[in-house]
Amino acid sequence: EDQVTQSPEALRLQEGESSSLNCSYTVSGLRGLFWYRQDPGKGPEFLFTLYSAGEEKEKERLKATLTKKESFLHITAPKPEDSATYLCAVGGSSNTGKLIFGQGTTLQVKP
Amino acid sequence: NAGVMQNPRHLVRRRGQEARLRCSPMKGHSHVYWYRQLPEEGLKFMVYLQKENIIDESGMPKERFSAEFPKEGPSILRIQQVVRGDSAAYFCASSPSGTGELFFGEGSRLTVL
Repeated sequence: EDQVTQSPEALRLQEGESSSLNCSYTVSGLRGLFWYRQDPGKGPEFLFTLYSAGEEKEKERLKATLTKKESFLHITAPKPEDSATYLCAVGGSSNTGKLIFGQGTTLQVKP
Repeated sequence: NAGVMQNPRHLVRRRGQEARLRCSPMKGHSHVYWYRQLPEEGLKFMVYLQKENIIDESGMPKERFSAEFPKEGPSILRIQQVVRGDSAAYFCASSPSGTGELFFGEGSRLTVL
């Protein structure tokens, strides 16, 4: 069964304190690994898609990387506006485009 | 270009009533997905539809839940005889191709009294 596990569940950082979020996955046929950001009371907002091990993508202070078993979302010198829940999802073996989501990591960045 | 539009944003129902949630996908998107987010839980896939067709309903509860995406008009998620456990945020997402990134709406929050 396709599965996604994110850690930690919650992370508190001081502004400027870099860190990484982890997403471990098991899937029989990976059809993309996706990162989303979700603000309270809002829908998820797409950040990145990664398709193969070794691939990296960057956007502002965020950088996503992918290995055969896990993905990391690196946050460099975060700001309070980066506070949100970050969701990881995999496109699984069904080839219908449905995504299997992890529980998310809630990030709080204090000024 | 308007995003995915969901309504109502908030809906309150008493046990046994029906809830209808509507979703208009982004312009040019013909693939619609419904997800449910229970309190303190992650997003769970419910159903994937294209115009007039249900492609994958493996995440739908067997009873009381149904979905449609007619040729004209929005996609509808219908919950009959609601129970307290149906209280959740229901998100609709659309895609132009059925693969790759999904674009989510703001969600419809159902509260069952």
